[in-house]
Amino acid sequence: TVMTQSPGTLSLSPGERATLSCWASQSVHNDLAWYQQKPGQPPRLLIYGASNRASGIPARFSASGFGTHFTLTISGLQSEDFAIYYCQQYNYWPFGFGQGTKVDLK
Amino acid sequence: QVQLVESGGDLVKPGGSLRLSCAVSGFTFTDYYMSWMRQAPGKPLEWVSYISYDATSTNYAESVRGRFTISSDSARNSVFLQMNSLTVEDTAVYYCARIGEVDYFYIDVWGKGTTVTVSS
Repeated sequence: TVMTQSPGTLSLSPGERATLSCWASQSVHNDLAWYQQKPGQPPRLLIYGASNRASGIPARFSASGFGTHFTLTISGLQSEDFAIYYCQQYNYWPFGFGQGTKVDLK
Repeated sequence: QVQLVESGGDLVKPGGSLRLSCAVSGFTFTDYYMSWMRQAPGKPLEWVSYISYDATSTNYAESVRGRFTISSDSARNSVFLQMNSLTVEDTAVYYCARIGEVDYFYIDVWGKGTTVTVSS
């Protein structure tokens, strides 16, 4: 299953809303996770089960989707949110990641 | 505090071998599946392998199948990745990672990573 994310880069200002998309080449049901990664750090789990926030994740992060199309929304970007975001499906082995969306400062 | 600490990364020549270790603490080791991920410089993440909580089930990415072996030792609360016949394409940061739930293979805890460089 190929995971495709868009856009590749999203240039936004603090306080703006970020909308990131992730497509699967076949249905992965709701077996979809989102991660945030900052330079030199491991990824951090944000979302699992397509829409469930992980422990400690702020409410400005929300996600939705089922099947082949998924969305991660960050409402009101904070300075610490500028990072790369990856989606990952875990319905079929190998459990692949998308190529990432970089959210950077406009 | 849940912690995963990798070690064993190094510079190795093509065709060489390396064994990575991951020491876990802060949770019951035998309650979770564990995995190894990797990330080549400037590239997205790649899931390399996973092992079940009782070490009876494993799986591998096609790119490493037959060359890499995952194992675990519950007495030492550790997971290992034996890497043989290394190529330059195996150069990456390797992360030890905990799978969040049985049958739901998202990663809820990551180690900081250990760097493997394959170069002549």
